[in-house]
Amino acid sequence: EADIYQTPRYLVIGTGKKITLECSQTMGHDKMYWYQQDPGMELHLIHYSYGVNSTEKGDLSSESTVSRIRTEHFPLTLESARPSHTSQYLCASSGSRSSNQPQHFGDGTRLSIL
Amino acid sequence: GENVEQHPSTLSVQEGDSAVIKCTYSDSASNYFPWYKQELGKGPQLIIDIRSNVGEKKDQRIAVTLNKTAKHFSLHITETQPEDSAVYFCAASIGTGGFKTIFGAGTRLFVKA
Repeated sequence: EADIYQTPRYLVIGTGKKITLECSQTMGHDKMYWYQQDPGMELHLIHYSYGVNSTEKGDLSSESTVSRIRTEHFPLTLESARPSHTSQYLCASSGSRSSNQPQHFGDGTRLSIL
Repeated sequence: GENVEQHPSTLSVQEGDSAVIKCTYSDSASNYFPWYKQELGKGPQLIIDIRSNVGEKKDQRIAVTLNKTAKHFSLHITETQPEDSAVYFCAASIGTGGFKTIFGAGTRLFVKA
């Protein structure tokens, strides 16, 4: 049963369009993450957030931006999509400020830029 | 920098056999080691985890062992079934409440019926 939701699941769109990938979680988790993953391959962290109004860049450079205005919502935006942005984007969240906890992943958005 | 090496990248076993996936981490400050299973079209899902104060943990057909001295940990799946076929990721988390979770590159497990 998913407590973290990503929309859309699939998106095929032309070059130059502005795209927003949505991610919402109902668990009240402070920490949220965005990963880029070619299906079944390595996970690359591109953004994360400690909580509301906190956003940080991850290990993999990305032209996307994120915002965290509400605890449950962590959207990712591409201002001008390019074919190199074609990939799968996974959102995750984790709880607890005091100890490491597992990450809960959404089922991803598969993005294709033509 | 910190990294987690995972082997093998692909593993094929006969149904009923055991499967073992091994990971090595570099940062001795790592204290939490989750394992995730990713099925086709889904996000990774936690299947078992272990903390650095424990050497072994078991949950039905799945077990994880941790050797802190050697900085490696392993996933053991016994009596494999076709539904165990998936990509498995190990990870190592550093510090308390920190963000540094390093994932391995994944192992694609095929269980042949």
